[in-house]
Amino acid sequence: DAGVIQSPRHEVTEMGQEVTLRCKPISGHNSLFWYRQTMMRGLELLIYFNNNVPIDDSGMPEDRFSAKMPNASFSTLKIQPSEPRDSAVYFCASSIWDSRNQPQHFGDGTRLSIL
Amino acid sequence: ELKVEQNPLFLSMQEGKNYTIYCNYSTTSDRLYWYRQDPGKSLESLFVLLSNGAVKQEGRLMASLDTKARLSTLHITAAVHDLSATYFCAVVGYGGATNKLIFGTGTLLAVQP
Repeated sequence: DAGVIQSPRHEVTEMGQEVTLRCKPISGHNSLFWYRQTMMRGLELLIYFNNNVPIDDSGMPEDRFSAKMPNASFSTLKIQPSEPRDSAVYFCASSIWDSRNQPQHFGDGTRLSIL
Repeated sequence: ELKVEQNPLFLSMQEGKNYTIYCNYSTTSDRLYWYRQDPGKSLESLFVLLSNGAVKQEGRLMASLDTKARLSTLHITAAVHDLSATYFCAVVGYGGATNKLIFGTGTLLAVQP
């Protein structure tokens, strides 16, 4: 079975540009999570969705960040305008809502560098 | 606010030795997970612990959960180089329909030959 698929794997862009990260969750999973990982702050939950509806976006750092989930098989995380401090690895994860004995499954991540 | 702490942050150990990584959390939790991350890679699920006294084992790794002490341990037996990675615990807060994971700081394990 295919796991969580993220694209692109690497992104290098200049400050001020718009960045869009993409995620395809595991088929049948109805919860989707976006995380950011940095050396300084570790793994932070940015936002999560249940059945395509945003449940908790309290981790989104500021208005420059937005996330959407238009259907059960696709989500985007957008940064506009991007800044050097946004450089990090962004992970998407999916799971079955309220399935206590199942972990979240993580994608391979997008390594983002803002110059 | 739920906080999760791991110690040690860095662990250098020799092959064949035993050691334990500790994960403490600040409020009552519904469940606890252990993940492994290799450098530059994704997070791989190792264990899911759901109840007080739960113990899970896979190869040289054994995880346990004490909900009264708000403590989980990951014990490494007779370490081998292949176990070198960063290990994270993650906790879900108690109550409510949520899958929101709060991650610990991670423990970087380096097993020396």
